[in-house]
Amino acid sequence: AQKITQTQPGMFVQEKEAVTLDCTYDTSDPSYGLFWYKQPSSGEMIFLIYQGSYDQQNATEGRYSLNFQKARKSANLVISASQLGDSAMYFCAMTESQTGANNLFFGTGTRLTIIP
Amino acid sequence: DAEITQSPRHKITETGRQVTLACHQTWNHNNMFWYRQDLGHGLRLIHYSYGVQDTNKGEVSDGYSVSRSNTEDLPLTLESAASSQTSVYFCASGYSGTGSNEQFFGPGTRLTVL
Repeated sequence: AQKITQTQPGMFVQEKEAVTLDCTYDTSDPSYGLFWYKQPSSGEMIFLIYQGSYDQQNATEGRYSLNFQKARKSANLVISASQLGDSAMYFCAMTESQTGANNLFFGTGTRLTIIP
Repeated sequence: DAEITQSPRHKITETGRQVTLACHQTWNHNNMFWYRQDLGHGLRLIHYSYGVQDTNKGEVSDGYSVSRSNTEDLPLTLESAASSQTSVYFCASGYSGTGSNEQFFGPGTRLTVL
């Protein structure tokens, strides 16, 4: 079974609007971590945000926040006030303590395009 | 500044040849990883290492090998390159332990096997 599922292959959003990128995960491990990475057209992987399974509050980093719903096993990325520079591929990823706490499992990604 | 580098950035080779992709990090991280990125699959783990002399197989390790003789380097070798190994390869490194284990990625190597 897929550990990380991203159901939106592509999204188009108007500049300055908020955008939510969906991510669901599958694990029976009580200890896991959830990550979001951005990959612009230049190809590098840029870390955006992290949420631990025991964290009580949703993670936030500037314009990025992670909407963590543990019971639903979802970890959606919210970008507020989108900018043209946000156009990129976005990957959700997970680590599990039982399969190696440092090994990332990635989803297939969502290509976000910001429209001026 | 600490960094992680990969070489070469682009490589074209022929089926059956041995190829080695280099990865070098100056973060002094114990953990190092190799991923491949293919359309429709995201990034998939090939091999990883949690320290010198430690190597482990990942999800898609067939046809690949790694060795870790020092902290800074984790070269990836394709023993006999196949067209199915045409991909973009990313090396990454990170701290040990659980928690916010951000992985720092290299710029990637685009490998084409003809």
